[in-house]
Amino acid sequence: EVQLLESGGGLVQPGGSLRLSCAASGFTFSSYGMTWVRQAPGKGLEWVSAISGSGGTTYYADSVKGRFTISRDNSKNTLYVQMNSLRAEDTAVYYCAKQEMIIRGLNPFDYWGQGTLVTVSS
Amino acid sequence: DIQMTQSPSSLSASVGDRVTITCRASQGISNYLAWYQQKPGEVPKLLIYAASTLRSGVPSRFSGSGSGTDFTLTISSLQPEDVATYYCQRYNSASLTFGGGTKVEIK
Repeated sequence: EVQLLESGGGLVQPGGSLRLSCAASGFTFSSYGMTWVRQAPGKGLEWVSAISGSGGTTYYADSVKGRFTISRDNSKNTLYVQMNSLRAEDTAVYYCAKQEMIIRGLNPFDYWGQGTLVTVSS
Repeated sequence: DIQMTQSPSSLSASVGDRVTITCRASQGISNYLAWYQQKPGEVPKLLIYAASTLRSGVPSRFSGSGSGTDFTLTISSLQPEDVATYYCQRYNSASLTFGGGTKVEIK
């Protein structure tokens, strides 16, 4: 059974930093691209960042480019996102998700974690 | 950057009604389109990919169609358990953009 468990969320001041983690199990982690998606309170889904199975290719939404860094440790089956220069508009539930393997390149997301809340406020 | 626009933003229909949600891409995306369902208080669930391929385990009352810029998600007979917000998403690009969502309620 695929399981994704996020951690690391919390309250941080504007301009601060936070690192989220996502522990994966139930599948061959290194074989699948992974992604982060966020959802602000009462709002829709926003894709944040994605990474290939090897970790060699990364992608970012314009809204976080230059501030967030996605990475993975395939020996630990763990996905990360380092979030710097946080803003109030980054407040959201952050989900990690596994990409389905349908095509070469970026794929839709077939399994999602339960999410971790990040609140950026003074 | 390609934008994904869904309509309507919300709808209310009766049990048994046929419901159609539209997703329009600002540029052609071939059939690289997925649909997700997010029930209240739950995480999103992948329903359809490649515009029309139903994911295993998804009820057959759900169907998808379209290619290029115009796509639809159809629920052939709305059930109470289908109350949710539905999102389209483009993939196979450097930007995995979601549509704004369509909230489906029971009348």
